[in-house]
Parts: sequence; structure tokens; C-alpha cells
Amino acid sequence: LAKTTQPISMDSYEGQEVNITCSHNNIATNDYITWYQQFPSQGPRFIIQGYKTKVTNEVASLFIPADRKSSTLSLPRVSLSDTAVYYCLVAPSGGYNKLIFGAGTRLAVHP
Amino acid sequence: GAVVSQHPSWVICKSGTSVKIECRSLDFQATTMFWYRQFPKQSLMLMATSNEGSKATYEQGVEKDKFLINHASLTLSTLTVTSAHPEDSSFYICSARDRRDPYEQYFGPGTRLTVT
Repeated sequence: LAKTTQPISMDSYEGQEVNITCSHNNIATNDYITWYQQFPSQGPRFIIQGYKTKVTNEVASLFIPADRKSSTLSLPRVSLSDTAVYYCLVAPSGGYNKLIFGAGTRLAVHP
Repeated sequence: GAVVSQHPSWVICKSGTSVKIECRSLDFQATTMFWYRQFPKQSLMLMATSNEGSKATYEQGVEKDKFLINHASLTLSTLTVTSAHPEDSSFYICSARDRRDPYEQYFGPGTRLTVT
């Protein structure tokens, strides 16, 4: 399983765009990149998943460069409720593969 | 969307007793479920992979005789913490894969275990 590296923490202010970058130098050809959000005392919540280029949904965008050795989660116009821990995971596609969580990025959004 | 529930949401037990935590997939069938443990301010640590109808696969360092996992049906997996001690106090989270969509895991809300 490819190891991921993210900043331990980030601070932002309401209304700003937040970009969290994850490094995964050893990503394999059949690996997908998935981001989860976790609030205190809750289970992780799926945010977005991608394989290459750009993926966008109603809550975030995921940018993946051509070499796929990193990815960037972009949260547009954050609010206080986006304060959470964000995890980047890389795992093979298909089958019933387990997910290994790294340390995650603790995002604090300030008024 | 796919929903995973856990019961109880929190439990307090005395040292030396056993406690069972249930994980249910409410609107899908899950041939595989996962159990995680999370200590305060730390990341999720995978404990074991639970496969319906077969023995669970435990991660290195996890005592299988202490953390008993049963996955008797396509919608239910249970984790029993046997002879619990204060150091077992943690947040236990399960997740399940919908067998129709193996790319995504759906996480439960977690169970807070406190051993006194």
C-alpha cells in the first residue's frame, strides 16, 4: 500500500479556499485516491475519489497531476463547519482492499 | 446513500468484563466489514477485516483472542472486547464495503468504549 504524507495541520478563515496536498510517491497503477473527512467522535465521511486529472463534486475538487505522485483536495469557500480532520488514502481498485489511514490534516477554520 | 450503524454509540464497562459492539449495514449487503480503533487525537488504526462466513483477518499486533470478531450475516458484524481493561478505552469504528461497489467504504458513526 502506498504511503501518504499530508501537512499535520492547516488554518484558514471563513470564505477562503483551502487546498490540502497529499504526497503519494509510490502510488501504483491501479491505485485510486480517496479523501475522507472526520469530525470529532464521528466516523469518517467520504468526500471525493479520483484516479487522474480533476474530479469535482458538490463539496470539493480533487486535482491529480499526470504523474499521480500527489493530489490536492480543494475546498471552496470554507465555513466553520469544515473544521475537521481530512485524510488522504491510496488503495488499489477493485476487490475488497483495506484502507490504511495516515495521520491526516487537521483543518481549523476561523471566523 | 449507504448507511452503516453501530450499537451502542457509547458504553461504559468495568475492568474484566466483556462488551460487544455491533456494526450493521442498513441498506446494502456487505461481504466485507472492517474494524478500526481510534485513540484521542490520533488516526484510525485498522484492527481487522471481517468477511462474512469466514474467520476475520487481524492486523499485526492486534490480539485476536481479545478482540473477537463475528460476521455471521451479510449485514452484521460484531466486535467483542473480552476481559476489557482501561487501556482498551477507545473509539471503535466499523466500515463496510457494498459488494456491488468495492471501491468505497461506508463508515459507521463509531462506538465510544470507556473501561473503568
